[in-house]
Amino acid sequence: QVQLQESGPGLVKPSQTLSLTCSVSDGSINSGNYYWNWIRQPAGKGLEWIGRIYTSDSTNYNPSLKSRVTISLDTSKNQFSLRLSSVTAADTAVYYCAREGRIIAVGGVYNWFDPWGQGTLVTVSS
Amino acid sequence: DIQMTQSPSSLSASVGDRVTITCRASQSISRYLNWYQQKPGKAPKLLIYAASSLQSGVPSRFSGSGSGTDFTLTITSLQPEDFATFYCQQSYSTPYSFGQGTKLEIK
Repeated sequence: QVQLQESGPGLVKPSQTLSLTCSVSDGSINSGNYYWNWIRQPAGKGLEWIGRIYTSDSTNYNPSLKSRVTISLDTSKNQFSLRLSSVTAADTAVYYCAREGRIIAVGGVYNWFDPWGQGTLVTVSS
Repeated sequence: DIQMTQSPSSLSASVGDRVTITCRASQSISRYLNWYQQKPGKAPKLLIYAASSLQSGVPSRFSGSGSGTDFTLTITSLQPEDFATFYCQQSYSTPYSFGQGTKLEIK
């Protein structure tokens, strides 16, 4: 059973860059045709999809964050990472990594997020 | 971008009740709709994918239906462990988007 674990600084200063890593265990990040995603959730609020990576040159980002986001893959370490630049207090949230599973069915290719990491709180404050 | 709207935003129910949560997409998304359950301090857990397929290990009292723009999550015979917040999510196109959540509370 694949497991994901986020890690990184819990406190970032305004205007700096948030950097998080998601470590994948009990499975290879290269196995299967999976996308690897980042999702965030401000305290008491809903979920916001940040972006995903398939291979090192195949990424999709939320347009609302695209100018500030970079997601990268390190297959040698079985990890993928998130960088979010020029952060403000509005970027304070619990950040989750998640694998995008999928199934090919008659009606199309259906995707979903499972499993998820446990989440890590990042606070933007001076 | 596709907007997802859930109703109600909150719901009170008793153990044993049947509840239904609705999710509406701003455009047709066929059956590209997933449901998640989130408990406080925990990551969301996948319940239903492709509108009506039950994720392995999820109790059969959970079911999903719908296609196009209107979807429902139904929980029959509520159990104490079911009280949580539920989110729908469209996987039709990126940027993926979630509903605002429905908080299910004990009456």
